[in-house]
Amino acid sequence: AQKVTQAQTEISVVEKEDVTLDCVYETRDTTYYLFWYKQPPSGELVFLIRRNSFDEQNEISGRYSWNFQKSTSSFNFTITASQVVDSAVYFCALSEPPYSSASKIIFGSGTRLSIRP
Amino acid sequence: DAGITQSPRYKITETGRQVTLMCHQTWSHSYMFWYRQDLGHGLRLIYYSAAADITDKGEVPDGYVVSRSKTENFPLTLESATRSQTSVYFCASSESQAGESSYNEQFFGPGTRLTVL
Repeated sequence: AQKVTQAQTEISVVEKEDVTLDCVYETRDTTYYLFWYKQPPSGELVFLIRRNSFDEQNEISGRYSWNFQKSTSSFNFTITASQVVDSAVYFCALSEPPYSSASKIIFGSGTRLSIRP
Repeated sequence: DAGITQSPRYKITETGRQVTLMCHQTWSHSYMFWYRQDLGHGLRLIYYSAAADITDKGEVPDGYVVSRSKTENFPLTLESATRSQTSVYFCASSESQAGESSYNEQFFGPGTRLTVL
């Protein structure tokens, strides 16, 4: 069965520190997709990144970077030089391809990140 | 460009009452989803729909009913609300899938905070 584990329930760091959010997943499929979503205090869910299982290249987008390692079933998210605006709940998610009728996403329980000024 | 909207944004109701949460998207996306977000559980899929008049159960469907008479609307009904259905409900949509190698991310609405007294 699919499962996503975000072991860090809450993280608090001082502004400008680097912080890594961990995500470990389980799936029996060889083809799947991984995601990160951000949920700021306003409540909406903001899509950050999608990665398919065949692409193990790490990705960098500004201060954000993602480390995908199939060998350890992990898809970790690092924020460099964190800012107060990064404070949010971050969700890691997993989906198998649309072999049937829909691409259902399985979400982790989320990590609440607080950046202190 | 309204995107995906949900109404009401906040709702308080009493146990046993029927409640309908509305979801409307302007992109003509084929797929629509309903999730509930509870502390410690992340987001869990309630129901999804691949197209008008096609719906299917997700992870936690009990106590909920959906319909999809029009592509753009996907209402979620709690036929007899219970306290355990107090939650934040998110609607999402995504485009049609175009083969195993492609995936389109889900776009989320702003959420509806439902309290059942």
